[in-house]
Amino acid sequence: KQEVTQIPAALSVPEGENLVLNCSFTDSAIYNLQWFRQDPGKGLTSLLLIQSSQREQTSGRLNASLDKSSGRSTLYIAASQPGDSATYLCAVRTGNQFYFGTGTSLTVIP
Amino acid sequence: NAGVTQTPKFRILKIGQSMTLQCTQDMNHNYMYWYRQDPGMGLKLIYYSVGAGITDKGEVPNGYNVSRSTTEDFPLRLELAAPSQTSVYFCASSWKGERNQPQHFGDGTRLSIL
Repeated sequence: KQEVTQIPAALSVPEGENLVLNCSFTDSAIYNLQWFRQDPGKGLTSLLLIQSSQREQTSGRLNASLDKSSGRSTLYIAASQPGDSATYLCAVRTGNQFYFGTGTSLTVIP
Repeated sequence: NAGVTQTPKFRILKIGQSMTLQCTQDMNHNYMYWYRQDPGMGLKLIYYSVGAGITDKGEVPNGYNVSRSTTEDFPLRLELAAPSQTSVYFCASSWKGERNQPQHFGDGTRLSIL
């Protein structure tokens, strides 16, 4: 069974800092990996989706990488802002099943 | 742009009652999903559908039923509510063609069973 782990569980950084969030998974036979943002009391918003054949995806200040063979993905956030404060979740697709990590709660301090 | 709409937003049930959580999407997506999210835990897939008339179990299907009679709607049914089903329920949809597309989520239904 696929297991998805996110470290750290919580992170607090000063505004302007660059930061990296980590996601690891146990079964490398994935179709894709997706990074989401979740604000309190809200649903999930898709940030980046990396197909299994891709190594990275970029959107604005966000860059996600994927290393299937080692079962790892990272989400890099450049020049963090207070508005980036949220919980970030990664999810992998294995067959038609999706497996989510428990998330990293990010606080960006002004 | 409505996207994925879930109703109700909040509900309190008594043990043994039944209810249906509604989910509708207006993006003509073929795939739809139901998840539950418990405090401090990741989302767990309950059921999914790859198109109208086709549904399949996810990781935690026990105690739930689904149907998909149209492309737009994917209701989740709880027949005999139990305290263990207290959770936040999310519906999502996506388009799967030659390449997988991102999932789009609703805002969730917060369900308490007392």
